[in-house]
Amino acid sequence: DAKTTQPPSMDCAEGRAANLPCNHSTISGNEYVYWYRQIHSQGPQYIIHGLKNNETNEMASLIITEDRKSSTLILPHATLRDTAVYYCTAGRKGAQKLVFGQGTRLTINP
Amino acid sequence: GAGVSQTPSNKVTEKGKYVELRCDPISGHTALYWYRQSLGQGPEFLIYFQGTGAADDSGLPNDRFFAVRPEGSVSTLKIQRTERGDSAVYLCASSSEGTEQYFGPGTRLTVT
Repeated sequence: DAKTTQPPSMDCAEGRAANLPCNHSTISGNEYVYWYRQIHSQGPQYIIHGLKNNETNEMASLIITEDRKSSTLILPHATLRDTAVYYCTAGRKGAQKLVFGQGTRLTINP
Repeated sequence: GAGVSQTPSNKVTEKGKYVELRCDPISGHTALYWYRQSLGQGPEFLIYFQGTGAADDSGLPNDRFFAVRPEGSVSTLKIQRTERGDSAVYLCASSSEGTEQYFGPGTRLTVT
């Protein structure tokens, strides 16, 4: 499984776009990038995943670089409820396990 | 619809005791996963079931840890001779084959 690297913490103003980076330079061709988040005292929540094309859903957008060595999760209009730890992980679709790093602690400020 | 549920939500036990943690996955999900999370860390994989069988138990730290899923639905994580270092939040997740994992709220285990 590819190792991922994320900044330990980030701040963003409410209403602005939050852009969370992730490096996954050892990702292999059949590994997807997955993003989860964990709000305090809850289990992780799936956000989005992608292989090589950019993806968008009702929660976020995922931008993957052409060489697939890094990606950015975008929360277009951050709210206070988006304050959480965000985890980037990589694995084959239907992968049997997720390997989590320490994630990025995102704080949305009013 | 109903999500993944875990019981109990909190468990306090004495060092050396045996504990069982239960996970009820989303109905119809064939895959079930156990993770544990220590304070300030990301979740750490323990074991994965596909149906009734453990497809990957490489994350179980030692032979005091064991998990079962006898009918391919509910799973129980069993810890024998608990140690203070076993204190953590134990998370369960389920998925349909090839899709994202859905996590339960976790069981907070405290070993005194």
